[in-house]
Amino acid sequence: KAGVTQTPRYLIKTRGQQVTLSCSPISGHRSVSWYQQTPGQGLQFLFEYFSETQRNKGNFPGRFSGRQFSNSRSEMNVSTLELGDSALYLCASSRTSPPGQGPQSTIYFGEGSWLTVV
Amino acid sequence: GENVEQHPSTLSVQEGDSAVIKCTYSDSASNYFPWYKQELGKGPQLIIDIRSNVGEKKDQRIAVTLNKTAKHFSLHITETQPEDSAVYFCAASRVDSNYQLIWGAGTKLIIKP
Repeated sequence: KAGVTQTPRYLIKTRGQQVTLSCSPISGHRSVSWYQQTPGQGLQFLFEYFSETQRNKGNFPGRFSGRQFSNSRSEMNVSTLELGDSALYLCASSRTSPPGQGPQSTIYFGEGSWLTVV
Repeated sequence: GENVEQHPSTLSVQEGDSAVIKCTYSDSASNYFPWYKQELGKGPQLIIDIRSNVGEKKDQRIAVTLNKTAKHFSLHITETQPEDSAVYFCAASRVDSNYQLIWGAGTKLIIKP
């Protein structure tokens, strides 16, 4: 069974550009969450989508946006990149939502997309 | 809002010894507490979780204990092995926000040979 797949794995962008990251959840999973991970900051929640609807949103500026398609695949976009956006962006999926409501709601992470802004 | 504090930030133990990582949460209504392990270059992976109606859960060398009164939960790893070296994250569900997980800052566990 394929895990959560994120593309691209590594990318370098210039300040001011925009970037789109893609996530394919585990087959049958309808919930997709995105996290930003930087050294010393742990896992910062960006947003969660379930059946194409944004259910939760973290405390990030409007430059960070996302969407989910009918096949549960998700994309996140960061516009007007800043140096501080350099981070590992992790996608996680679960069969159901919210977490903690039984084994069907366990979240599984992908290996992440490393973004470097120069 | 909900906050999860995780200690220590770095833990170094001799191979074969036990390791304990502790997390404290603020929302007394939190009811789900997972632990994730992140190896270098990989995404976090669930290793064990516990719900608020249970005080302790074990899975081979790993155990989690929950003290609802004190609002803290701990990860215990016994007979540590080199492959236990990783960053460990705790989390607590936030009831007032559709059960969104609030994460601790992580603990880097180093197993010394």
